[in-house]
Amino acid sequence: DTGVSQDPRHKITKRGQNVTFRCDPISEHNRLYWYRQTLGQGPEFLTYFQNEAQLEKSRLLSDRFSAERPKGSFSTLEIQRTEQGDSAMYLCASSTPPGTQNTEAFFGQGTRLTVV
Amino acid sequence: GENVEQHPSTLSVQEGDSAVIKCTYSDSASNYFPWYKQELGKGPQLIIDIRSNVGEKKDQRIAVTLNKTAKHFSLHITETQPEDSAVYFCAASDSGGYQKVTFGTGTKLQVIP
Repeated sequence: DTGVSQDPRHKITKRGQNVTFRCDPISEHNRLYWYRQTLGQGPEFLTYFQNEAQLEKSRLLSDRFSAERPKGSFSTLEIQRTEQGDSAMYLCASSTPPGTQNTEAFFGQGTRLTVV
Repeated sequence: GENVEQHPSTLSVQEGDSAVIKCTYSDSASNYFPWYKQELGKGPQLIIDIRSNVGEKKDQRIAVTLNKTAKHFSLHITETQPEDSAVYFCAASDSGGYQKVTFGTGTKLQVIP
């Protein structure tokens, strides 16, 4: 399968613990995005990368959140000192850069985080 | 920032009937409008998109219309089938392509056999 891959699919953690999620984009896509989706809502933009550069961060991305894409391939999203309000589905997407013919984004299946 | 509103939140139709989902956006700079289908436990999947230089686009049973003056865009599904049952999201972006996209709140479509 050459789609966007996210790991793990599910994560249950205790409040106050740190968690890290991984996203492997489609190999030729140099743009990578993180979104958060809570139950009954649409995905909300968190941040995106072009290659290894983090170009934009939402104000939703508090100081406890950090995302990296060190080699311009896979990306990690870390949440420190998790809170119950962090419980959500974390979605990763990737796309080709603007100027290419098709710039649609492909989403992974997400990581569902439950903070207890 | 951009704000996208979507209606209705739930929609039930008989198999074979048409379904229409409507969205409005606030930022006149938005120029790319994708629609996503999300099935339970899966990520959103792009089903159709439209750019601001066209008013309508069709792909088999799915069509999207865009009214830039009124800042409205709509998804039309004809001859609905049970496998069309899912949550549908509209979205808007001002980048001309996929960049920072703002999603609507979703429409849960149920197609009754």
